[in-house]
Amino acid sequence: DTEVTQTPKHLVMGMTNKKSLKCEQHMGHRAMYWYKQKAKKPPELMFVYSYEKLSINESVPSRFSPECPNSSLLNLHLHALQPEDSALYLCASSQEEGQPSYEQYFGPGTRLTVT
Amino acid sequence: GQNIDQPTEMTATEGAIVQINCTYQTSGFNGLFWYQQHAGEAPTFLSYNVLDGLEEKGRFSSFLSRSKGYSYLLLKELQMKDSASYLCAVMDSNYQLIWGAGTKLIIKP
Repeated sequence: DTEVTQTPKHLVMGMTNKKSLKCEQHMGHRAMYWYKQKAKKPPELMFVYSYEKLSINESVPSRFSPECPNSSLLNLHLHALQPEDSALYLCASSQEEGQPSYEQYFGPGTRLTVT
Repeated sequence: GQNIDQPTEMTATEGAIVQINCTYQTSGFNGLFWYQQHAGEAPTFLSYNVLDGLEEKGRFSSFLSRSKGYSYLLLKELQMKDSASYLCAVMDSNYQLIWGAGTKLIIKP
């Protein structure tokens, strides 16, 4: 099973809402990632978890709050977002963080629209 | 600064061959990845190069020259389903992926 799943597929939320994005993998990967991708742009790294601990936070605003409940799950909690946060949010996993030859496997993404 | 350059868009004909170039300037180098991304979908891994030379995988090949900071992805026997964006990404000295903006490949019958 080389699949990373993400829910929901689409999400529309107002600026005062609280919502969560979910990501799951069962490949035994110990590194998990959140990316944000705008149209016609490359993915931008937001957070990295390694062995369930936050390893990298790329100066992401606090209205985005990641959580890694266990080695298979990764959540992204959203609160008081702005319209410019509308984007495709991608989750990825790899066998280990910081190992050059380990490619990242991406989930299908959540298309987020903030109104 | 760190920089990865790829052409924005390319057009090719079904059955033909196309080469997508990528040049990079990064702080350190721990390998170069190529990913394919269809519109609205997740990127999928195509290839990884860390040593100079050509890696062949079916219809797709990837080449790397570290001294020139240059790579290319070669796609042979193009099919309509190859229409997608192709992303070049370099792993830097901190083992972080630096992504190019992607090349949109359009295949015409």
